[in-house]
Amino acid sequence: DGGITQSPKYLFRKEGQNVTLSCEQNLNHDAMYWYRQDPGQGLRLIYYSQIVNDFQKGDIAEGYSVSREKKESFPLTVTSAQKNPTAFYLCASSVLGTGGREQYFGPGTRLTVT
Amino acid sequence: AQTVTQSQPEMSVQEAETVTLSCTYDTSESDYYLFWYKQPPSRQMILVIRQEAYKQQNATENRFSVNFQKAAKSFSLKISDSQLGDAAMYFCAYRRANSGGSNYKLTFGKGTLLTVNP
Repeated sequence: DGGITQSPKYLFRKEGQNVTLSCEQNLNHDAMYWYRQDPGQGLRLIYYSQIVNDFQKGDIAEGYSVSREKKESFPLTVTSAQKNPTAFYLCASSVLGTGGREQYFGPGTRLTVT
Repeated sequence: AQTVTQSQPEMSVQEAETVTLSCTYDTSESDYYLFWYKQPPSRQMILVIRQEAYKQQNATENRFSVNFQKAAKSFSLKISDSQLGDAAMYFCAYRRANSGGSNYKLTFGKGTLLTVNP
């Protein structure tokens, strides 16, 4: 089955530690995205990538970093510089080009930092 | 910058009844896409329906339909014959139509939590 996987589902870290969230897709999509979701908020874009070895900052990139070494993978690192890292993180992917290309989402990772 | 507003934080509906969720947006673009996503308790985001701004006809998907009013910048979702499985958080989202760069970005509203009562 084609889809997006995120691991782990729940992640716990101590304050001051960097942590990397995994996102893998086998949909052959060019574009991948990372969103953050907080209670009572919609999703906010952290980073996105349209091609291997290239990515752009979204609306709330501070304290986060990404890499795109393979088309299928787009890991997100939450660094110790992120002031409020506890949140639900969603990865998504889409095709590129014209047309209403919806984004397909993974199941998410709940990160708790104490 | 584009903004999406969902003015109803919570809604409830009786099973088998019809409910309408509201969404308004602000944009200076003439061509764009609008989406409704559903997020059940599992937190998996699921696309419900999509509307192209250049189409006058309202999109429908089985029990789900939209009322797209371009001049009013309104995009409401109607759920007919509501089922217990429709209970979820519903998000309205906007995307610019032109390809390239940040145009692929989705802008989300804050969501409406729908409860379906048996």
